[in-house]
Amino acid sequence: GQQLNQSPQSMFIQEGEDVSMNCTSSSIFNTWLWYKQDPGEGPVLLIALYKAGELTSNGRLTAQFGITRKDSFLNISASIPSDVGIYFCAGQRRGATNKLIFGTGTLLAVQP
Amino acid sequence: ETGVTQTPRHLVMGMTNKKSLKCEQHLGHNAMYWYKQSAKKPLELMFVYNFKEQTENNSVPSRFSPECPNSSHLFLHLHTLQPEDSALYLCASSPWASASTDTQYFGPGTRLTVL
Repeated sequence: GQQLNQSPQSMFIQEGEDVSMNCTSSSIFNTWLWYKQDPGEGPVLLIALYKAGELTSNGRLTAQFGITRKDSFLNISASIPSDVGIYFCAGQRRGATNKLIFGTGTLLAVQP
Repeated sequence: ETGVTQTPRHLVMGMTNKKSLKCEQHLGHNAMYWYKQSAKKPLELMFVYNFKEQTENNSVPSRFSPECPNSSHLFLHLHTLQPEDSALYLCASSPWASASTDTQYFGPGTRLTVL
């Protein structure tokens, strides 16, 4: 099935650094979602975006819905060890009821 | 705690066994989903239920049989599985199936190993 292009695939950073990851698609989306998944657990919703240009924060996390509606990015500021995990973007196209398309994930490792 | 629970969290079964996975959501949602997550692969949508009715079967083999008795509960019945069916099976729910801005919330998953 269709996938979103998510980059980078992995990041290895020092505690305190800022992190940025993004997702791009050839299709227009009505919704962008960002999830975090810890090993052996299900994805946990971090931020939901519903309007082009929307910029939303959740603590140290900030995500934006791209103006073209074909991309989104997630920033994490001042990373801490518990930020370790896999981050997934997911998008929903207009008319594609119930069908989320997931990115391939970004593995984040934070060294104390 | 996302409001979506799954049991069991871990399951090991032989290829001739019959087992069931259970999902329950406490969010008052009307849509429920089964996903399969294999190593190094994106999440694969398996089934979608809206208001207890199945609206999506993503070409899933018949050895996986879903059941949705009400909007809060979803089961996945397993029989004669293959080793390649080993994966993390995730349940999700969302408020309303046909809304274009429907947001899905996931359970913790069941780690299934087929021997």
